[in-house]
Amino acid sequence: EVQLVESGGGLVQPGRSLKLSCAASGFTFSNYYMAWVRQAPKKGLEWVATISTSGSRTYYPDSVKGRFTISRDNAKSSLYLQMNSLKSEDTATYYCARHSWVDYWGQGVMVTVSS
Amino acid sequence: DIQMTQSPASLSASPEEIVTITCQASQDIGNWLAWYQQKPGKSPQLLIYSATSLADGIPSRFSGSRSGTQYSLKISRLQVEDTGIYYCLQRYSNPWTFGGGTKLELK
Repeated sequence: EVQLVESGGGLVQPGRSLKLSCAASGFTFSNYYMAWVRQAPKKGLEWVATISTSGSRTYYPDSVKGRFTISRDNAKSSLYLQMNSLKSEDTATYYCARHSWVDYWGQGVMVTVSS
Repeated sequence: DIQMTQSPASLSASPEEIVTITCQASQDIGNWLAWYQQKPGKSPQLLIYSATSLADGIPSRFSGSRSGTQYSLKISRLQVEDTGIYYCLQRYSNPWTFGGGTKLELK
């Protein structure tokens, strides 16, 4: 069974940093691109980042480019999202997802950016 | 960026009715479109991929179609458990973009 379990969320002040983790199991992690998708409270879905199987290629929308960094450790079947210079508009539930057709999602982890 | 215009924003329908939700892409995206259902407090679930292919375990009353740059999700014989918010997603090019969502309620 495919499982994606996020961790690392919480309350953080504007301008500070936070790192999210996602532990994957039930599939060959190193064979898949992976992604992060977020959802602000009561809002729609927004793609945040994608990483290639080896980690050599990454993609971001303009809203987070230069502030967020996606990475992975294939030996640990883990995905990460380093978030720097956080803004209030980054407040959201962050989902780890298997890239493909985004066919599997984690349960999500809440990040609140507030002073 | 490719814009995905989803309609309607909300709808209410009765059990056993047929419901259709549409997404209009701002440019050609081929069949690089997926549909998701999200229930309150839950993660989204993949329903349809490649515009018309049914995801594993999804009931056959869900179907997807394409006409040019307009994509549709049809739910035949609406069931109570089909309530939720539906989203389309284009993965033709970065940045991937989602439609604004359609909230489906049952009468």
